[in-house]
Amino acid sequence: AQRVTQPEKLLSVFKGAPVELKCNYSYSGSPELFWYVQYSRQRLQLLLRHISRESIKGFTADLNKGETSFHLKKPFAQEEDSAMYYCALRGTGNQFYFGTGTSLTVIP
Amino acid sequence: GAVVSQHPSWVICKSGTSVKIECRSLDFQATTMFWYRQFPKQSLMLMATSNEGSKATYEQGVEKDKFLINHASLTLSTLTVTSAHPEDSSFYICSARQDPNTGELFFGEGSRLTVL
Repeated sequence: AQRVTQPEKLLSVFKGAPVELKCNYSYSGSPELFWYVQYSRQRLQLLLRHISRESIKGFTADLNKGETSFHLKKPFAQEEDSAMYYCALRGTGNQFYFGTGTSLTVIP
Repeated sequence: GAVVSQHPSWVICKSGTSVKIECRSLDFQATTMFWYRQFPKQSLMLMATSNEGSKATYEQGVEKDKFLINHASLTLSTLTVTSAHPEDSSFYICSARQDPNTGELFFGEGSRLTVL
């Protein structure tokens, strides 16, 4: 079964501190994973995808097939990073399945 | 980026009535759109995949006759909640892909349904 798990519903860090949002997945094939972000009063938008191996707004995420994880990391959190973060998996039928989301609060 | 728009943004209806929610891709054509349901402080639950010119593909546990999806054109998909009940009250969000190869989804702003 395809499943995305984000164990932390809420995460608070101080400004300048490192942040890691956890994401684990369950998928039988070769996964395609994404991180989406929703800032206050805005719609969901793509943050990054594992295929691109890019860093967006200082965030990176590495796909670890052995641990079936795709954790999102940033070395120095900023106040503007406060948002809701969703990990997503693209399934076999091209559907996208989302985790429960993690609400990140960066404390000034 | 591409823009997806939903209408209405909020609708209140009486129990037993039907409500239609529209999802439009404003500046691109979308052969596939996705409908999600979001409960308060919970994740997005994929309800169905809307395919232009063919029947929608529903996820397990989603009632096809309850949530009617029509994708009549490359820029419009509609979700009709039939015989709505208070438990159908939720936030419904649609999304579409501009480029099937990139996998990036563009989301609508969501439609809040309140059934009295």
